[in-house]
Amino acid sequence: AQSVTQLGSHVSVSEGALVLLRCNYSSSVPPYLFWYVQYPNQGLQLLLKYTTGATLVKGINGFEAEFKKSETSFHLTKPSAHMSDAAEYFCAVTGQDSSYKLIFGSGTRLLVRP
Amino acid sequence: DAGITQSPRHKVTETGTPVTLRCHQTENHRYMYWYRQDPGHGLRLIHYSYGVKDTDKGEVSDGYSVSRSKTEDFLLTLESATSSQTSVYFCAISESVANEKLFFGSGTQLSVL
Repeated sequence: AQSVTQLGSHVSVSEGALVLLRCNYSSSVPPYLFWYVQYPNQGLQLLLKYTTGATLVKGINGFEAEFKKSETSFHLTKPSAHMSDAAEYFCAVTGQDSSYKLIFGSGTRLLVRP
Repeated sequence: DAGITQSPRHKVTETGTPVTLRCHQTENHRYMYWYRQDPGHGLRLIHYSYGVKDTDKGEVSDGYSVSRSKTEDFLLTLESATSSQTSVYFCAISESVANEKLFFGSGTQLSVL
């Protein structure tokens, strides 16, 4: 069965610093990969997704992620953190089977210090 | 924002009582999903629907049932609520299969005492 592991339930960075949120997946077939963001008291919003093609994916709000098949990773980065980036981030994976159901990681809460 | 409304937004109930949560969409999307969110577990799929009267189980379906009699409404029922079902429940919709964009509702906070 597919699974997603997010390393670090909490990540704290200073405003202006690099943001790196880690995601590793287990899949026997090339997956589709997603990052979602959840702001307080809201539902999730799609940040970016990888399906096929270019392995470096750019998303909204300056975030990007790189699919590395050899490392089974899909880490999320942003060069310079902003206070408004404070939220919880979820990595998710689905397979190319008929169900296409998303499997979510346990989430990483990003704290941005002034 | 996608037109997804979850009701109620908050509910407190007692163990053993039935509870129904409603998800209503105005997007005419085919796929609808119910997830629960718990600390340390992320979001886990309870049930999903791929059309009117077409539903299937997710990874944590025990104790839950669903119904979809109209495209716009997807109901989640806890037949006999238990304290382990205290959670935040999210409805999501997608126009096609899950490799497309999911739109989420604002969630329902359910407390079972």
